[in-house]
Amino acid sequence: GAGVSQSPRYKVAKRGQDVALRCDPISGHVSLFWYQQALGQGPEFLTYFQNEAQLDKSGLPSDRFFAERPEGSVSTLKIQRTQQEDSAVYLCASSFGGGHTEAFFGQGTRLTVV
Amino acid sequence: AQTVTQSQPEMSVQEAETVTLSCTYDTSENNYYLFWYKQPPSRQMILVIRQEAYKQQNATENRFSVNFQKAAKSFSLKISDSQLGDTAMYFCAFRLYSGAGSYQLTFGKGTKLSVIP
Repeated sequence: GAGVSQSPRYKVAKRGQDVALRCDPISGHVSLFWYQQALGQGPEFLTYFQNEAQLDKSGLPSDRFFAERPEGSVSTLKIQRTQQEDSAVYLCASSFGGGHTEAFFGQGTRLTVV
Repeated sequence: AQTVTQSQPEMSVQEAETVTLSCTYDTSENNYYLFWYKQPPSRQMILVIRQEAYKQQNATENRFSVNFQKAAKSFSLKISDSQLGDTAMYFCAFRLYSGAGSYQLTFGKGTKLSVIP
């Protein structure tokens, strides 16, 4: 596709349920990022991949959060045993190269934990 | 660590008028990028304008321009001839030019801009 695609767009999970959020980056983009955007806040960095290698996961809030990009393309952000504070929009972005290239964002997945 | 502050939670402007959104940041680094992103209700973050800190000239993109004051660590966005489609959240963001964590964007909390017909 022409842009970064994320699915689902909306997800409602019961507290304690596991969820998986998918990101399909722009074809050929080496770098992939996940951000978490709480209501009324700016996005906050979660993790960064270069191809299939997860180079930085310092922003993941707890060990319940896990991200993977096994073939260097599609990425999945998994949240285990969801809690209410996990409710947020999860944004994925990709860029062609490293830090000097523009990052393109998807439309995000709005996760609501009830 | 870098911080970005947007002190105006909400602003409004009449269609065709000019509005300025404020942003200040804090860093001990000398080389970095600053950005303004637009986030409409569709939630997709769209890059509006980018400024390299080593460039003294202020960036412009059509109706959008910035006032970059490096010593004051200030980076405001001016929108001229405001249009209804400019209604959105606007986020100021910072990224290091190189080194550890230079791929990370640090965002402010955003300013909600409403353009009134």
